[in-house]
Amino acid sequence: RKEVEQDPGPFNVPEGATVAFNCTYSNSASQSFFWYRQDCRKEPKLLMSVYSSGNEDGRFTAQLNRASQYISLLIRDSKLSDSATYLCVVVSWDGGYNKLIFGAGTRLAVHP
Amino acid sequence: GAGVSQSPRYKVAKRGQDVALRCDPISGHVSLFWYQQALGQGPEFLTYFQNEAQLDKSGLPSDRFFAERPEGSVSTLKIQRTQQEDSAVYLCASSFGQVYRVNAGELFFGEGSRLTVL
Repeated sequence: RKEVEQDPGPFNVPEGATVAFNCTYSNSASQSFFWYRQDCRKEPKLLMSVYSSGNEDGRFTAQLNRASQYISLLIRDSKLSDSATYLCVVVSWDGGYNKLIFGAGTRLAVHP
Repeated sequence: GAGVSQSPRYKVAKRGQDVALRCDPISGHVSLFWYQQALGQGPEFLTYFQNEAQLDKSGLPSDRFFAERPEGSVSTLKIQRTQQEDSAVYLCASSFGQVYRVNAGELFFGEGSRLTVL
């Protein structure tokens, strides 16, 4: 079983829709969580951190559920420009330091 | 430059050739990572440097892979006797601090070096 798992999608949604992705992680000692965005043939870029209390940045909301070991990303009022792959990142303690583990990504396609 | 720079952007190698991929991180960034990203997959960790020290090389898939950062800035990832399964995008990322601290998660990635082994 992979340490970080995501539904690969694609999620095909119309403009204006609300869409949510989940990401599960296996290491209960994981300490920090992030969402990165990767456009086609581009490098990943940090989208937002995920805090225990949840956090919101404009149309984007990230949540953490430690009990069930998953994080989520909610996108409201989807725009065409939101089309990308969303990578879940989990920071886990690994024998002396924290290691960043990426999920395989969830692909979102927003259509007119 | 302002960002992480990688070269070459594209590399085609015949099976068995050696390749060297270069990463020029953001100036002053202490931490440097190499990741391998196969088509349709997320980045897979290869190795981590803190300044010139290679603190973790557990992700290197075989002894054909070697990375160095001799002066704590530019890093080179070398792949010897390339195989077809080495075809992937190799991403370099850097971070200002010692990224292995809680809540430190922002990595700045280069655009990657796309390696195709024929």
